[in-house]
Amino acid sequence: AQTVTQSQPEMSVQEAETVTLSCTYDTSESDYYLFWYKQPPSRQMILVIRQEAYKQQNATENRFSVNFQKAAKSFSLKISDSQLGDAAMYFCAYRSARGGGKLIFGQGTELSVKP
Amino acid sequence: DAGVIQSPRHEVTEMGQEVTLRCKLISGHNSLFWYRQTMMRGLELLIYFNNNVPIDDSGMPEDRFSAKMPNASFSTLKIQPSEPRDSAVYFCALRGPEAIYEQYFGPGTRLTVT
Repeated sequence: AQTVTQSQPEMSVQEAETVTLSCTYDTSESDYYLFWYKQPPSRQMILVIRQEAYKQQNATENRFSVNFQKAAKSFSLKISDSQLGDAAMYFCAYRSARGGGKLIFGQGTELSVKP
Repeated sequence: DAGVIQSPRHEVTEMGQEVTLRCKLISGHNSLFWYRQTMMRGLELLIYFNNNVPIDDSGMPEDRFSAKMPNASFSTLKIQPSEPRDSAVYFCALRGPEAIYEQYFGPGTRLTVT
């Protein structure tokens, strides 16, 4: 069975600085997708960024980028120029390319942004 | 706006009562997912539908839980009878249109069973 691990329960960053959130996963599959979701206090789950495992190029969405290391089964999220609005819980998620789309989530990392 | 409406947003009920959570999709989609979020277990899939048919219900805790999707725009999750351990946030999600099949979540229903 696939598992997703986020080893940092809490992280803190100064406004305008850069922070990296870690995620590792375990799978025997070669084709899959990875996602980062943001959950602010409103509890809405917001898709931040996504990565196809077959793509070597790391995904980027504005200030958000990932470092995808397939061999190491690592999928970290980098937030550049952190803003107060980035404060939230961040969840890493895995989805097999087979089947209907069940997401397997990590435990989450709570990010605080200091002004 | 992911096009997912959940109701109610908050529900407080007493143990033993029946609870029905609702999910409405603004436009019809082929696939719909129900997730539950608790402090102890995090986010976990309960069930998902494809073309209104339940495909994987292995995450449904027990027979007290049931889910239906009568059409492409509406689904319900029912708990009968409810128990305090069912207290959680319940999310409905739809699958995006692209091949990567990312999922877009509704705002969630916070259920408290006393």
